[in-house]
Amino acid sequence: DQQVKQNSPSLSVQEGRISILNCDYTNSMFDYFLWYKKYPAEGPTFLISISSIKDKNEDGRFTVFLNKSAKHLSLHIVPSQPGDSAVYFCAASARSGGSNYKLTFGKGTLLTVNP
Amino acid sequence: NAGVTQTPKFRVLKTGQSMTLLCAQDMNHEYMYWYRQDPGMGLRLIHYSVGEGTTAKGEVPDGYNVSRLKKQNFLLGLESAAPSQTSVYFCASSYDLKGGAGGNQPQHFGDGTRLSIL
Repeated sequence: DQQVKQNSPSLSVQEGRISILNCDYTNSMFDYFLWYKKYPAEGPTFLISISSIKDKNEDGRFTVFLNKSAKHLSLHIVPSQPGDSAVYFCAASARSGGSNYKLTFGKGTLLTVNP
Repeated sequence: NAGVTQTPKFRVLKTGQSMTLLCAQDMNHEYMYWYRQDPGMGLRLIHYSVGEGTTAKGEVPDGYNVSRLKKQNFLLGLESAAPSQTSVYFCASSYDLKGGAGGNQPQHFGDGTRLSIL
């Protein structure tokens, strides 16, 4: 049962335009949502997160939107730059017993920003 | 600033061989994790540790063992490698177990170990 879904394996946009990466989830117990960015041959790096009690979080060119009723979040990158080309993972955090938390990752979306 | 260092970066094994993957972090993090990433899949948690001397099972623990004898090191062992364990393995560490909740304490990842089992 895939609790965090990224239904678009890939996305291609032109430099300067907006990139919108989408993520859906099924577990209503998730309380934080995160986006990680991964370049080839490197480990994922944390990009931005949002608490389930908020609907928007912004950090520079990156904004994450959360729609709890739809169990959907999206990452907006404006303006997109060629250096943003990478795999983007959506992840969600929930308690897994006691004080422990479990991070569940989606399959990732490959973003290609064309010059 | 090394962060999380994984050793080795690449390895080819034959079925039935054993090996240990080493993860070292220099951020004094309490929590450490081992993930595997397979084509078309997200990162799946194998084992994790909430502190020195502790380990716990993740989502896909079968066929792996781990040890956390020192706070800065987290070892992943394959006792009898199988072709199904061909994957890219990532180690991560974090200050707390929320792993980035609130954006203040994210998981920091190493660059991965690419393991092929023939």
